[in-house]
Amino acid sequence: GEDVEQSLFLSVREGDSSVINCTYTDSSSTYLYWYKQEPGAGLQLLTYIFSNMDMKQDQRLTVLLNKKDKHLSLRIADTQTGDSAIYFCASFSYNTDKLIFGTGTRLQVFP
Amino acid sequence: SAVISQKPSRDICQRGTSLTIQCQVDSQVTMMFWYRQQPGQSLTLIATANQGSEATYESGFVIDKFPISRPNLTFSTLTVSNMSPEDSSIYLCSVEVSAGKYNEQFFGPGTRLTVL
Repeated sequence: GEDVEQSLFLSVREGDSSVINCTYTDSSSTYLYWYKQEPGAGLQLLTYIFSNMDMKQDQRLTVLLNKKDKHLSLRIADTQTGDSAIYFCASFSYNTDKLIFGTGTRLQVFP
Repeated sequence: SAVISQKPSRDICQRGTSLTIQCQVDSQVTMMFWYRQQPGQSLTLIATANQGSEATYESGFVIDKFPISRPNLTFSTLTVSNMSPEDSSIYLCSVEVSAGKYNEQFFGPGTRLTVL
């Protein structure tokens, strides 16, 4: 079945950029999403990218998509301690009509 | 967007009992989903809650264990039946909202369930 994979952990210094990577297997993925989950909370939709785009920027967030390699990344500029959370990549396919989540990347920001 | 609330936010239950989780949305939505997030894991789709008909369950999940109700377009319940410690998870309600060309999926705050 479809699979979405992410590295489990990322640690960055406050003020630096963070890059969280994701790979997916479903070539029919039409939309790819990034969600943020803070401790004890639900999921917050951060941003999305359509499969015919290769980049999307939204304030401090930049999403890059390499459709050929099925690789997605989320760059957070000027990372703050409030950005510490688990970030989930998710792929939506019209073939399956389902949202498939990655394992989540725990981002830790230290001063 | 959609604002989703869940009740209870957390509960500690005894083995063999059942718990019903409620999900309320602030607008009418067609698609509602229930997910499970086991400790340290990603999200797994349990079922799609269909209004007016039986829920559609994913592989590995059955109606007897996770009965779902969807009486209208703003409300759904998920029951975790005959609980065991393995059912300890966060249960999340989700809705899909059309945003022009694409659909956005929003999540509730989750219900943290601990089974002793």
